[in-house]
Amino acid sequence: QQQVKQSPQSLIVQKGGISIINCAYENTAFDYFPWYQQFPGKGPALLIAIRPDVSEKKEGRFTISFNKSAKQFSLHIMDSQPGDSATYFCAASIYNFNKFYFGSGTKLNVKP
Amino acid sequence: EPEVTQTPSHQVTQMGQEVILRCVPISNHLYFYWYRQILGQKVEFLVSFYNNEISEKSEIFDDQFSVERPDGSNFTLKIRSTKLEDSAMYFCARRDRGTDTQYFGPGTRLTVL
Repeated sequence: QQQVKQSPQSLIVQKGGISIINCAYENTAFDYFPWYQQFPGKGPALLIAIRPDVSEKKEGRFTISFNKSAKQFSLHIMDSQPGDSATYFCAASIYNFNKFYFGSGTKLNVKP
Repeated sequence: EPEVTQTPSHQVTQMGQEVILRCVPISNHLYFYWYRQILGQKVEFLVSFYNNEISEKSEIFDDQFSVERPDGSNFTLKIRSTKLEDSAMYFCARRDRGTDTQYFGPGTRLTVL
């Protein structure tokens, strides 16, 4: 059973473009939705996170859009840079249970 | 500055051998997690550890696995009799009280031959 579904599996974007990664979840009890960035050989690093009481959160070039009724959330990377090339994972958790359910990951390649 | 450090960075072992992976938090946190990531796949939850006890474990975390905090500082994951399919990256994560955010260590790459 896939609690969190992520798409696309891979993404190629030109430098300066917008990268969009989508996730959908099943469990309406989820109340915390982080995005992690992972470079090869490294651990996942928290990028940005959102709770379902807001529809959007922006931090620098990174924005999460959240649609509670559709049970979907997405990561937008504005002005994508080659240094953004990494694998991105969405995740979801329930407060007080805390284990993260991760999506399958999206490998982003930003072309110079 | 890493939130947690993990040792070793890479462990190679023979099938059937026991391995111990270590996680060293920078400060005194109560909530710890182990996750694994098979090459090219998603990160999967193994076990959560709160106040020196297992609070939740996944189906993956069978009798071959154990966790403990032997000296009140290091947090260890032991695999008693490794199998080929245990080859993966193992990540330790920690969480502060009152928050949801988990901070991951750099991982230990386990290779079972």
